[in-house]
Amino acid sequence: KAGVTQTPRYLIKTRGQQVTLSCSPISGHRSVSWYQQTPGQGLQFLFEYFSETQRNKGNFPGRFSGRQFSNSRSEMNVSTLELGDSALYLCASSLAPSGSSNTGELFFGEGSRLTVL
Amino acid sequence: AQSVTQLGSHVSVSEGALVLLRCNYSSSVPPYLFWYVQYPNQGLQLLLKYTTGATLVKGINGFEAEFKKSETSFHLTKPSAHMSDAAEYFCAVSDNDKIIFGKGTRLHILP
Repeated sequence: KAGVTQTPRYLIKTRGQQVTLSCSPISGHRSVSWYQQTPGQGLQFLFEYFSETQRNKGNFPGRFSGRQFSNSRSEMNVSTLELGDSALYLCASSLAPSGSSNTGELFFGEGSRLTVL
Repeated sequence: AQSVTQLGSHVSVSEGALVLLRCNYSSSVPPYLFWYVQYPNQGLQLLLKYTTGATLVKGINGFEAEFKKSETSFHLTKPSAHMSDAAEYFCAVSDNDKIIFGKGTRLHILP
């Protein structure tokens, strides 16, 4: 069974540009969550999608957006890139939405490492 | 909202020594708790989780954690460290509608 696939794995952008990252969840998983990982800050929750609907959003500016398609694949977009957006962006999938009623685990991809120059 | 505090961003132990990684959470209701591990250039993978029942939870690679409600803690332990345990470890708690992660503890194993 294939795991969570994220593309691209590495990318370099310059300030002001925009970027789109892709995530293909494990087959059958309908929930996709996105996290930003930076040294010292750990994982910060960006948003979660379930059945093409955004369930929740973290404390990030509106430059960060996402969507989910009918096949559960998800994309996140960052517009007007800033130096501080340099990070590892992790996608995680699960069968059911995250939360206290779901004790299932998150399955993570290897991440997309974004460098903003 | 829930929060997770991991004490020590870096922990060093000698090979064969006890591993103890500390995690405290804030919660007004019984939480679901997780430990994840991240090896270099990889995503996170689940080590173990506590939902209900037995407070001592056993995970993969010889790790275990004990849920202590009175101390709001969920510390991760392993009796004998191995070089392959060198990685970053994240404690996480299930909030109403999302999983909240701690800032992580990088475990260094000394030969």
